[in-house]
Amino acid sequence: NAGVTQTPKFRVLKTGQSMTLLCAQDMNHEYMYWYRQDPGMGLRLIHYSVGEGTTAKGEVPDGYNVSRLKKQNFLLGLESAAPSQTSVYFCASSYLGSNSPLHFGNGTRLTVT
Amino acid sequence: DQQVKQNSPSLSVQEGRISILNCDYTNSMFDYFLWYKKYPAEGPTFLISISSIKDKNEDGRFTVFLNKSAKHLSLHIVPSQPGDSAVYFCAAASNTGKLIFGQGTTLQVKP
Repeated sequence: NAGVTQTPKFRVLKTGQSMTLLCAQDMNHEYMYWYRQDPGMGLRLIHYSVGEGTTAKGEVPDGYNVSRLKKQNFLLGLESAAPSQTSVYFCASSYLGSNSPLHFGNGTRLTVT
Repeated sequence: DQQVKQNSPSLSVQEGRISILNCDYTNSMFDYFLWYKKYPAEGPTFLISISSIKDKNEDGRFTVFLNKSAKHLSLHIVPSQPGDSAVYFCAAASNTGKLIFGQGTTLQVKP
């Protein structure tokens, strides 16, 4: 059981470039989440999904898009990266939603120059 | 508009003593609360949770207290151990499926 796997682990982008962060879980969880962690700001919810084919906005969705075409995968896209999107991104999944513990990946460190 | 707040960025305690981490929330729709622990270069891991129908939940050295009228919860670690040194996040959930985190408190337990 790999749990929640995030790829890549590190990435450096130039302003205006695009990229996709991939999250995969092998626990058959319905719910998946994308968070960003910034100093002094804690973990802020970007987007989440309550099941295959569904997505919803979190606290800080602007500048990001997501897709959940398969139950096990949750993709986070940056269409035109900005320096303000420099952060550590965490993906998480859970079986019963927010009323059950989330399982987190180890994060993707993204730097936008 | 921070719905979940951890007002102490850091806390330092001596090994063997009690660590108390605090968390406040503003949204009365939150009905489930969790604490997560995070080590550097790793994702957060679940520690303990409490439903709004309870005011206390205990798991070994960890106890979470919930005061709904004050919209306040706290995590007690007794006795504290050096391995407990980490960042602790509280989180709150409602029936929308969202889980909102606080800013985190860095705990240092000195040997």
